[in-house]
Amino acid sequence: DAGVIQSPRHEVTEMGQEVTLRCKPISGHNSLFWYRQTMMRGLELLIYFNNNVPIDDSGMPEDRFSAKMPNASFSTLKIQPSEPRDSAVYFCASSFTGGLYNEQFFGPGTRLTVL
Amino acid sequence: GENVEQHPSTLSVQEGDSAVIKCTYSDSASNYFPWYKQELGKRPQLIIDIRSNVGEKKDQRIAVTLNKTAKHFSLHITETQPEDSAVYFCAEGGNEKLTFGTGTRLTIIP
Repeated sequence: DAGVIQSPRHEVTEMGQEVTLRCKPISGHNSLFWYRQTMMRGLELLIYFNNNVPIDDSGMPEDRFSAKMPNASFSTLKIQPSEPRDSAVYFCASSFTGGLYNEQFFGPGTRLTVL
Repeated sequence: GENVEQHPSTLSVQEGDSAVIKCTYSDSASNYFPWYKQELGKRPQLIIDIRSNVGEKKDQRIAVTLNKTAKHFSLHITETQPEDSAVYFCAEGGNEKLTFGTGTRLTIIP
């Protein structure tokens, strides 16, 4: 199993540009989580999906952020327009919920820099 | 809402000594308490977890204790080694999402 896959690994963009982050969860997992990590705010949950349905998006900072999960093997996090304060590492994680264990497996992250 | 407090934020110990990190939580419904280790530039990875029907769990040099009545749980690392240097996160959750603590930067002094 390749684990959770994220792309791109690094993204540098200019303020105002649209940014799309991608995630492929582990096959068979039915929950997917998007996190943002910064020195100031730590590891924040932005949104999570269960069976491709958004369950809790209360962590999404504002309307500039949107996330989709069109099928069980793919999710996107979009920022439009991007701002310098969006600079962070964005992690995607997946888990199988409904069983005894709900360990979350993290992807390698996308380091986003907005100039 | 859910809240997890983690202490200390930084910890330095001599190689070979023990390290203890503590977390408190507020949600009485929480029943799953994992600990993640994040090395510099890497992803968080699970190192040990405990469920609410267990008071203590050990895996080699790592142990976790849980006091559900007091709503706190702790990570214990014994005989620390340089490779234990990392940021450690506690988390709590129920059936689906996790709420993470703010992290502890552990430095092992050779």
